Amino acid sequence: SQKIEQNSEALNIQEGKTATLTCNYTNYSPAYLQWYRQDPGRGPVFLLLIRENEKEKRKERLKVTFDTTLKQSLFHITASQPADSATYLCALTGGGADGLTFGKGTHLIIQP
Amino acid sequence: DVKVTQSSRYLVKRTGEKVFLECVQDMDHENMFWYRQDPGLGLRLIYFSYDVKMKEKGDIPEGYSVSREKKERFSLILESASTNQTSMYLCASSLGTFSYNEQFFGPGTRLTVL
Repeated sequence: SQKIEQNSEALNIQEGKTATLTCNYTNYSPAYLQWYRQDPGRGPVFLLLIRENEKEKRKERLKVTFDTTLKQSLFHITASQPADSATYLCALTGGGADGLTFGKGTHLIIQP
Repeated sequence: DVKVTQSSRYLVKRTGEKVFLECVQDMDHENMFWYRQDPGLGLRLIYFSYDVKMKEKGDIPEGYSVSREKKERFSLILESASTNQTSMYLCASSLGTFSYNEQFFGPGTRLTVL
């Protein structure tokens, strides 16, 4: 069955440093990968989409890579700030009308 | 801005009750989704719909049904609530019929079944 793995433990990063979150998957060949941010008690909010033929995507301080050979996506936040503290979810899809499959998320804590 | 609203933020029901969770989106999106989110299990897809009166099973449809009579409204129904359905329920919508489009989520309904 499809499996998506994200760092299960909280990731503590000092303010100003780059935070790197990992999303690994098995038994799946997604055409698209998305990253979402979720704050406590709220629904997830979309951040970035990357396609299988794209190696890297950037948006402001965010950068996502997608390596279909390694079956891995890396999500980077540069110049991290305490306001970046949240849970970050990766989600995969083949692109058809089949919905997204989410990872369990990584809880990121940016310490001042 | 896209807005997805859910009928209740918190709901407490008793075992065996029929429960309706309502979701409304205001951006004319074709796709609508229901997920549940549990600690350690993450977000899991229950049902989704890509058009009025259409529905597709997600990963965990057992014990649930859905209704989509109007494009903007997608209802999740627990026919006979059980304690293992205590969870956070999240509704989402997206444009078009392809799953790669970004999903817009509602604030969630925290359901407790006693």
